[in-house]
Amino acid sequence: AQTVTQSQPEMSVQEAETVTLSCTYDTSENNYYLFWYKQPPSRQMILVIRQEAYKQQNATENRFSVNFQKAAKSFSLKISDSQLGDTAMYFCAFRLNDMRFGAGTRLTVKP
Amino acid sequence: NAGVTQTPKFQVLKTGQSMTLQCAQDMNHEYMSWYRQDPGMGLRLIHYSVGAGITDQGEVPNGYNVSRSTTEDFPLRLLSAAPSQTSVYFCASGGLPVEKLFFGSGTQLSVL
Repeated sequence: AQTVTQSQPEMSVQEAETVTLSCTYDTSENNYYLFWYKQPPSRQMILVIRQEAYKQQNATENRFSVNFQKAAKSFSLKISDSQLGDTAMYFCAFRLNDMRFGAGTRLTVKP
Repeated sequence: NAGVTQTPKFQVLKTGQSMTLQCAQDMNHEYMSWYRQDPGMGLRLIHYSVGAGITDQGEVPNGYNVSRSTTEDFPLRLLSAAPSQTSVYFCASGGLPVEKLFFGSGTQLSVL
């Protein structure tokens, strides 16, 4: 079964700075999707960014970008120019037939 | 747009009671799934379905039953609730192949 590991339970960053959240996964498959979801205190699950494994180019969405290293099975999320509204739980997810999530990283952006 | 609708939002049960968490989506999604969220453990997949009449187990299926008689609905049944099932439950749906999941607002369940 596929597993997703987020090794940083909590992180903090100063407003306007850059932070990187780590994610590794385990699979023997070649074609799959990877995701980062954000969960603010409202409990709503919000898609931040997604990456298709067959694409070598790293995905980017405004201030959010990923560093996808397929051979290393690594999928980190970089948040640039951090804002107070980025404070949330961040979940890395892996999709093959179903979608599996990591344990999450609680990010706090400090003013 | 309604999206994914979960009911109830909150529920308190006594040990041994049964109940059904409802999930409905109006986006004609083939894929539907149930997750539970516990502190420090992220979202763990309970059951999922890739279409009407088709269901499969996820990571933590014990104590839960599902059925998928229609494309729109995917109820989750707790036959005999246990305190270990105290959690926040999320229903999610997506098209196939799944490029994005749409989540419901969650159900906070407490089993005393």
